[in-house]
Amino acid sequence: GAGVSQSPRYKVAKRGQDVALRCDPISGHVSLFWYQQALGQGPEFLTYFQNEAQLDKSGLPSDRFFAERPEGSVSTLKIQRTQQEDSAVYLCASSLVWDQPQHFGDGTRLSIL
Amino acid sequence: QQQVKQSPQSLIVQKGGISIINCAYENTAFDYFPWYQQFPGKGPALLIAIRPDVSEKKEGRFTISFNKSAKQFSLHIMDSQPGDSATYFCAASRETSGSRLTFGEGTQLTVNP
Repeated sequence: GAGVSQSPRYKVAKRGQDVALRCDPISGHVSLFWYQQALGQGPEFLTYFQNEAQLDKSGLPSDRFFAERPEGSVSTLKIQRTQQEDSAVYLCASSLVWDQPQHFGDGTRLSIL
Repeated sequence: QQQVKQSPQSLIVQKGGISIINCAYENTAFDYFPWYQQFPGKGPALLIAIRPDVSEKKEGRFTISFNKSAKQFSLHIMDSQPGDSATYFCAASRETSGSRLTFGEGTQLTVNP
């Protein structure tokens, strides 16, 4: 496809379960970002990849959050032992290179019961 | 620490009017200032962006005004249309740090017909 694709669009999990969120960036885009958007708030940075290298993970809120991009294309954000405060929309963005505009996917809405 | 402050939180204008949204930033190292538009259930979409070497940039009905000394920038939407009703986010980044975006809190714009 032409844009950033995220799946699933919606995810409901019980507190304590592990979840995995997928991001397919625009083909050829080197840079990939994950953001967390709480209801009624602006997105907040989580982590950044350049190809397969995770260059910045300073925004990950705890060690329960883990992201990977093993082949420099598709990325997965994993949240272990989910808690209610993890409920949010998780947005993925990609850019051709680090100093080019970021293009966002439509996000995964995660609800923790 | 809120590095980018956005106002107003919500804005209602009549069709054909001018919508003005303001942002202020704290980090003088920021050197890229984009505005994003977000519709419900969708990811943010880049509208227009500016760098500190210019004071104004216009693209169609959208204009960014930038005041480096005051550390402020604003979005003007001319001839506002009902289709412009959305949430608008300002953002800022330091391109030397991989372009991670710091977003404002958002402004919900409603344009009445």
